[in-house]
Amino acid sequence: DSGVTQTPKHLITATGQRVTLRCSPRSGDLSVYWYQQSLDQGLQFLIQYYNGEERAKGNILERFSAQQFPDLHSELNLSSLELGDSALYFCASSAAPGTWGAQYFGPGTRLTVT
Amino acid sequence: KNEVEQSPQNLTAQEGEFITINCSYSVGISALHWLQQHPGGGIVSLFMLSSGKKKHGRLIATINIQEKHSSLHITASHPRDSAVYICAVRSGNQFYFGTGTSLTVIP
Repeated sequence: DSGVTQTPKHLITATGQRVTLRCSPRSGDLSVYWYQQSLDQGLQFLIQYYNGEERAKGNILERFSAQQFPDLHSELNLSSLELGDSALYFCASSAAPGTWGAQYFGPGTRLTVT
Repeated sequence: KNEVEQSPQNLTAQEGEFITINCSYSVGISALHWLQQHPGGGIVSLFMLSSGKKKHGRLIATINIQEKHSSLHITASHPRDSAVYICAVRSGNQFYFGTGTSLTVIP
């Protein structure tokens, strides 16, 4: 158990809908990262937050947004969903801010868009 | 063109064999990670390297910054090592991942 929790585990929704994925980092970790893993594209970095502030941005679509709250949990919002958004979404946390320190991954949320 | 290339894509080994997985990258990096993804989907970070060599149990990771190459070695492989191994690098504020090496260790 990494200490990182993600909810929900599975999510099935229709095209055009909006969903929110939640992540709670390990106790004491200030950085949260979001990743998408799809069958055709592999793992991709989406975005990093550190102590509530956006720190780095990867291949995150404009339809997606994220935030980190004062209690350090983070949410990834996916809107106007398309079939191609079906993927595993992982969050990870680390104590390190700017450098990519050792990361602890959550179990993932499997999103299926029908 | 992928910033991170791994080889081989698939690997089958007999229990006890010495295994090497290779990773080459084309960008300047501040750190390289080796990740392990189990069949159930969970991801574990095995190593973070910026130079030299690290060892943890039967796993050894090396990196050659000049050649932009890293290797992950597994000594005395065991069926529980069966997983996908992913190489990932941080370059500036970006993170790039290899497509993974699927390892199967047969008893």
